[in-house]
Amino acid sequence: KNEVEQSPQNLTAQEGEFITINCSYSVGISALHWLQQHPGGGIVSLFMLSSGKKKHGRLIATINIQEKHSSLHITASHPRDSAVYICAAQKTSYDKVIFGPGTSLSVIP
Amino acid sequence: EPEVTQTPSHQVTQMGQEVILRCVPISNHLYFYWYRQILGQKVEFLVSFYNNEISEKSEIFDDQFSVERPDGSNFTLKIRSTKLEDSAMYFCASTGTGQPQHFGDGTRLSIL
Repeated sequence: KNEVEQSPQNLTAQEGEFITINCSYSVGISALHWLQQHPGGGIVSLFMLSSGKKKHGRLIATINIQEKHSSLHITASHPRDSAVYICAAQKTSYDKVIFGPGTSLSVIP
Repeated sequence: EPEVTQTPSHQVTQMGQEVILRCVPISNHLYFYWYRQILGQKVEFLVSFYNNEISEKSEIFDDQFSVERPDGSNFTLKIRSTKLEDSAMYFCASTGTGQPQHFGDGTRLSIL
C-alpha cells in the first residue's frame, strides 16, 4: 500500500481557475511537503507543513493532522503553473522524504 | 539564494561501466540524500548521509551503490557496474536545521 496518495492524477484547468490538489498519507509525520517538478525534471520545494495553513503568493497549503490529509490550492491559475505537483511525507526531522505519485497540472490559456 | 548543484546534467554510459554522480550541497547543511526517479514513476529514496556515514539506505541501494563525501563540499554517488535498470533521474538533496530538503536539478543517467 502506498504511504502517500494524491488525487487527481491529472488535471487540466482554464487560466484563472481555482485549483485544488489533494494528498492523503498513512504514516505519522513530522512534516508534509509540497513540491513542484517542471518538465525539465528539477524539483522545487513549495511548502513544508506540520500544522494549519501556509500561503505563498497564489499558492495555499493546508493540513489536517487528525485526518492525515493535506491540500494544495492555486488561486487564479496561470499557464506557467503547469507542472507536476508532488506531496511528500517526512516521518521525523532529517528523515528521508516519502514521495507521492504526483499530480500533473496543465493550465490552458 | 544558495542551491544544490549536480553534475553532470546528463550522463550516458555503457552497461557494466562505473559512473559517479556529483553533488555540491548547500554549504551549511549537514544532512544529505540521494533519490532517483525512473521515467514515469515516482521519486524513490536511495540513501541518507550524516556525519560521514550512511544514516539509512533503501533496498535499491545494494552493493553496487556507494556514497562518499570526499571533501568539505562534494557528495558523490557511485554505481560500480551499471545495469540497464539504473537508467533514471538521480536527485541529490540537503537540509539544515528546521528547513525543507533542497533538491538539485538532477542528473539524467542513461545506460546503453
